[in-house]
Amino acid sequence: GQNIDQPTEMTATEGAIVQINCTYQTSGFNGLFWYQQHAGEAPTFLSYNVLDGLEEKGRFSSFLSRSKGYSYLLLKELQMKDSASYLCAVPDSNYQLIWGAGTKLIIKP
Amino acid sequence: DAGITQSPRYKITETGRQVTLMCHQTWSHSYMFWYRQDLGHGLRLIYYSAAADITDKGEVPDGYVVSRSKTENFPLTLESATRSQTSVYFCASSASAEGSTDTQYFGPGTRLTVL
Repeated sequence: GQNIDQPTEMTATEGAIVQINCTYQTSGFNGLFWYQQHAGEAPTFLSYNVLDGLEEKGRFSSFLSRSKGYSYLLLKELQMKDSASYLCAVPDSNYQLIWGAGTKLIIKP
Repeated sequence: DAGITQSPRYKITETGRQVTLMCHQTWSHSYMFWYRQDLGHGLRLIYYSAAADITDKGEVPDGYVVSRSKTENFPLTLESATRSQTSVYFCASSASAEGSTDTQYFGPGTRLTVL
């Protein structure tokens, strides 16, 4: 079956860098998604990785290692508005997304 | 540019009542999804639809019914609400044929409380 693990909560300082990890187990592999969800709001798309390596998108980067079943989201120059939950998701064999429970990121001034 | 909307945004009901949550998207996306989100759990798929008149069960379908007579609408009905169905419900849509390999766009959510 599918399984996704993320840390429950992380704390970081404004202006710093934080890495949020995600490990997964799937029977096949069709990419990995990262979404951001502010408290009380809907998830919004951040990134999609299907090949190994790092993809950079402004202050946010996402890394994937298919052989290790591992991904991370790297957030640079943290801002208070980055306080949110970050959700990792992978498609199952029916191409439906299986979601991690999310990592709540707390940014301190 | 409405995108994807849900109604109501908040609902309080009683055990045993029927409740319908509405979802409407203006993008003509083929795929639509219903999720529930509970503390400590990831988003869990209730039902999804690949096109009008085509629906299928997700991970947690028991106690829920869906229909999709038009591409833009995907209502979710709780036939006889139970306290365990207290949750935040999100509707989402995506464009591609392989739904989960394309970005899913989420509605604002409906916070449902069953007393």
